[in-house]
Amino acid sequence: DAGVIQSPRHEVTEMGQEVTLRCKPISGHNSLFWYRQTMMRGLELLIYFNNNVPIDDSGMPEDRFSAKMPNASFSTLKIQPSEPRDSAVYFCASTLQTGGAYTQYFGPGTRLTVL
Amino acid sequence: DAKTTQPNSMESNEEEPVHLPCNHSTISGTDYIHWYRQLPSQGPEYVIHGLTSNVNNRMASLAIAEDRKSSTLILHRATLRDAAVYYCILRDVSNNNNDMRFGAGTRLTVKP
Repeated sequence: DAGVIQSPRHEVTEMGQEVTLRCKPISGHNSLFWYRQTMMRGLELLIYFNNNVPIDDSGMPEDRFSAKMPNASFSTLKIQPSEPRDSAVYFCASTLQTGGAYTQYFGPGTRLTVL
Repeated sequence: DAKTTQPNSMESNEEEPVHLPCNHSTISGTDYIHWYRQLPSQGPEYVIHGLTSNVNNRMASLAIAEDRKSSTLILHRATLRDAAVYYCILRDVSNNNNDMRFGAGTRLTVKP
């Protein structure tokens, strides 16, 4: 299996522009997570989906952030408009949630720089 | 969510064992103890998890205190490639929440 795939790997944009980050989870997994990592705040959970349905978006910073999962094999995280403080590494992770303990598999991340 | 406490950093010599501690004094009976690590410029990766008994896998061992208020991740022979940030995380399986909250972790430096 190719693992969790994220694109792009690097994104540089200017303040005010729309940014879309993409994630393809591992085939067969039923839960997907979006995280953000910065030096100041560490690794933060933004939102997660079960069976394509958003379950908890309490970590989404503000209305400028939105996430969708139109099907089991694709998710997007959109920032509109972007701001310099959104600069971070964004990780996507997926898992097969079958009850009890489970393992999250992380993608390589997208490094976002907003100028 | 029950919280964990880990040292900010630790050092080890190559090919020596490393014991990474984690305190979780408010752990509940349905909390699993998970360890992940994050190598430089990579996403976190799973290391090991356990509930009550000690666990071994090809990467590491997990020693869980009898009262479950602390645990130790053991790398039997550290290599330079083990230099990473190690996260100890509790996950309650009783509430059907799938989320996992990462703390600051322990930054392990391995000296040649």
